[in-house]
Amino acid sequence: SQQGEEDPQALSIQEGENATMNCSYKTSINNLQWYRQNSGRGLVHLILIRSNEREKHSGRLRVTLDTSKKSSSLLITASRAADTASYFCATDSAGGTSYGKLTFGQGTILTVHP
Amino acid sequence: DAGVTQSPTHLIKTRGQQVTLRCSPKSGHDTVSWYQQALGQGPQFIFQYYEEEERQRGNFPDRFSGHQFPNYSSELNVNALLLGDSALYLCASSLASWDRGFSGNTIYFGEGSWLTVV
Repeated sequence: SQQGEEDPQALSIQEGENATMNCSYKTSINNLQWYRQNSGRGLVHLILIRSNEREKHSGRLRVTLDTSKKSSSLLITASRAADTASYFCATDSAGGTSYGKLTFGQGTILTVHP
Repeated sequence: DAGVTQSPTHLIKTRGQQVTLRCSPKSGHDTVSWYQQALGQGPQFIFQYYEEEERQRGNFPDRFSGHQFPNYSSELNVNALLLGDSALYLCASSLASWDRGFSGNTIYFGEGSWLTVV
């Protein structure tokens, strides 16, 4: 079953613009992790944000988490053509023995035009 | 430091056959999970291995089985292949912590094994 739902499903922008992707989920979580996937390839880990954190940064990436609204956002600033990929949020749900079992949404397809 | 490695990269099987996929976790990791990703979908959790035992399982039939070896590497076996088993199979590794006060570790994925069932 899907836990995370990404929005929008597809996003098309010009190089240099910012890209914002949103993720909503249904149950309490231990953490939320964002991944990038280039076409036909594996998942590249971007950021992990824990349930007691509200914001994290990594280079051009900024992730926020609002546990009261069960939502997260990923902001990519000053986008590049190389950022073109699918982006997934994945939740590790609270429950003691669920550590390491990720539930993914269907992803956001980001296209950055040169 | 080698990341998560998977083999083979691509393979084609016939309906009814059996397949074995292999995974070596990232150095220092002791937990391996397997995911199935159909085209255009997000990955779906199959099962997780820790200390050579299956610890958690997703909604997949018994045709999907696995194994973890003492060196933490893992295999995914699928019997009686169906056309619908065609997908990218992803292996993920992490360092386990079953402490209820801990909120989990980063989970790293391999490049995946593309399985086509014809």
